[in-house]
Amino acid sequence: QVQLEQSGAEVRRPGSSVKVSCKASEDTFSTYAISWVRQAPGQGLEWMGRIIGLLDVASYAPRFQGGVTITADKATDTVYMELRNLKSEDTAVYYCARENCGGGSCFDDWGQGTLVTVSS
Amino acid sequence: DIQMTQSPSTLSASVGDKVTITCRASQRISSWLAWYQQKAGKAPKLLIQDASTLKSGVPSRFSGNGSGTDFTLTISGLQPDDFATYYCQQYNTSPETFGQGTKVEIK
Repeated sequence: QVQLEQSGAEVRRPGSSVKVSCKASEDTFSTYAISWVRQAPGQGLEWMGRIIGLLDVASYAPRFQGGVTITADKATDTVYMELRNLKSEDTAVYYCARENCGGGSCFDDWGQGTLVTVSS
Repeated sequence: DIQMTQSPSTLSASVGDKVTITCRASQRISSWLAWYQQKAGKAPKLLIQDASTLKSGVPSRFSGNGSGTDFTLTISGLQPDDFATYYCQQYNTSPETFGQGTKVEIK
């Protein structure tokens, strides 16, 4: 079981950006894709996008396309998720998660979550 | 996007009960369905993948069934540790989508 350690809570103003990191405990990104999933307060789970480390290719859910960038630093086994032009509705806990379900994209290991609060 | 609809939204049950949660997909997703358990303030935990494959270490009282558009998660003999919120997730088609969740609470 891989450990995914995320960066700490952030507070941002509307219109600004935030970058959240997710560091793996072992060589993960050359083998597995890493996704980002968010959860607004009291709400359900929403998939945002993923990066396939082996190919260094990211893909995004349509509603996040253009507003989110996911990158990976293989040298440090760290994945980053940057969210731009923040709005109050982006207030949520952001999770990174490893995709490891054979040929499918379900998530068998999760980070602890990073709370991002957007408030003026 | 494929819509995932869970029912019920809330379920009240007692320790020892058998409970069933239903998840319906707006399109056929074969068996590309996962179930997660989430407790307050914690990350989700994968219970079942491919509709019916129990993840290693998950108690056998959990079981999943279904294919196509209709799926179920059954807990046979509810334990105190099982009171939580459960989510289904389809991974047949990107974007991957989740159900809205079913909260299992103590009766």
